[in-house]
Amino acid sequence: AQKITQTQPGMFVQEKEAVTLDCTYDTSDPSYGLFWYKQPSSGEMIFLIYQGSYDQQNATEGRYSLNFQKARKSANLVISASQLGDSAMYFCAMRGINDYKLSFGAGTTVTVRA
Amino acid sequence: DTAVSQTPKYLVTQMGNDKSIKCEQNLGHDTMYWYKQDSKKFLKIMFSYNNKELIINETVPNRFSPKSPDKAHLNLHINSLELGDSAVYFCASSQSDRGRDGYTFGSGTRLTVV
Repeated sequence: AQKITQTQPGMFVQEKEAVTLDCTYDTSDPSYGLFWYKQPSSGEMIFLIYQGSYDQQNATEGRYSLNFQKARKSANLVISASQLGDSAMYFCAMRGINDYKLSFGAGTTVTVRA
Repeated sequence: DTAVSQTPKYLVTQMGNDKSIKCEQNLGHDTMYWYKQDSKKFLKIMFSYNNKELIINETVPNRFSPKSPDKAHLNLHINSLELGDSAVYFCASSQSDRGRDGYTFGSGTRLTVV
């Protein structure tokens, strides 16, 4: 079974600053994938970034980067140069490589202040 | 040309009624899912079909019955609706041999049972 923990229920960040969202996980799968999704107030789920457990480098997608520390079982999302449109709920998720099920953490709400 | 479309977007119904939510994807994915997001925003998988075969059936009351007529469609039928069924239901799809791509979610169906 996989367990995803997001300990920050809510965060405030000033526009143009960076923010780090914490995610730790636990799994017995030797190979797995980690995902981050954004859910704005409109409700849709938007895929942001993926990190494979055997990827040599940390994933980056535009202003999103993933700080992956395998030994510590953490996969923190960094949003650089925050924008007002980044205000949303962010979910960390993972899936074993041979598993169809994507398991989600409880989410972190980010509010960007002007 | 919506990738994953769910209907209806909103559903308000009385306790005891039976209702269905429909989902269609035009991405050519071979796997589809139903997730439930409760009032605390927690996302939990309910069912998954791969090429019309049920592969995930989480602990869900048997009042919930999924049906996949083909790999592009996954419907959810709910019998004898209860107050506790009120939630947002998300349909999603993925391609089983492209794990890095994540899931594509529909826009959700907000079910309110009164």
